[in-house]
Amino acid sequence: GAVVSQHPSRVICKSGTSVKIECRSLDFQATTMFWYRQFPKKSLMLMATSNEGSKATYEQGVEKDKFLINHASLTLSTLTVTSAHPEDSSFYICSADPGGNTEAFFGQGTRLTVV
Amino acid sequence: AQKITQTQPGMFVQEKEAVTLDCTYDTSDPSYGLFWYKQPSSGEMIFLIYQGSYDQQNATEGRYSLNFQKARKSANLVISASQLGDSAMYFCAMREALTDKLIFGTGTRLQVFP
Repeated sequence: GAVVSQHPSRVICKSGTSVKIECRSLDFQATTMFWYRQFPKKSLMLMATSNEGSKATYEQGVEKDKFLINHASLTLSTLTVTSAHPEDSSFYICSADPGGNTEAFFGQGTRLTVV
Repeated sequence: AQKITQTQPGMFVQEKEAVTLDCTYDTSDPSYGLFWYKQPSSGEMIFLIYQGSYDQQNATEGRYSLNFQKARKSANLVISASQLGDSAMYFCAMREALTDKLIFGTGTRLQVFP
């Protein structure tokens, strides 16, 4: 199946700093990627839809200035958590769909800890 | 609005036995896709099985089968011959036809014991 690579897998940062998470489709082009957030023992909550060459579409309640999404190419979307706070600590995971497939492919996820 | 419901927060099953994980959904779209994913403690999302809303047959993938009852809007996952390695979180999800968004249920934690 298609491969989606997410980096880094784990990151610890200080409060007030920004963290960038990358999501790459390695063997297909993805005009659309999705970013999810998962709290411990909870479900995946869709944060935003990343659209290549245009602005991301954010779900209700997600701060677009806090979670900056850039989809500059057909194989790369980035999520930047700006001015991170401890409450931003979570598991972030991206997905992409090659199109025409029945399966959405997920990255390995990023565990963010803000101290 | 689309909605996925998993009513079993946790399930136990003995090794080699079969287990059914429940999932119901709600949508007004005639075209949709239903998915099951497995998430071990490592966090990765492992695709298990897919069912399209127009598929006539229930989907099967090895030890996984999906009991699709369209009129009841249910898409239960059946795992046959459970293995210790099946212990994980299991998520049911539905994809919207227009946006390709995946909406997830709250998950079921399956524990397989010897």
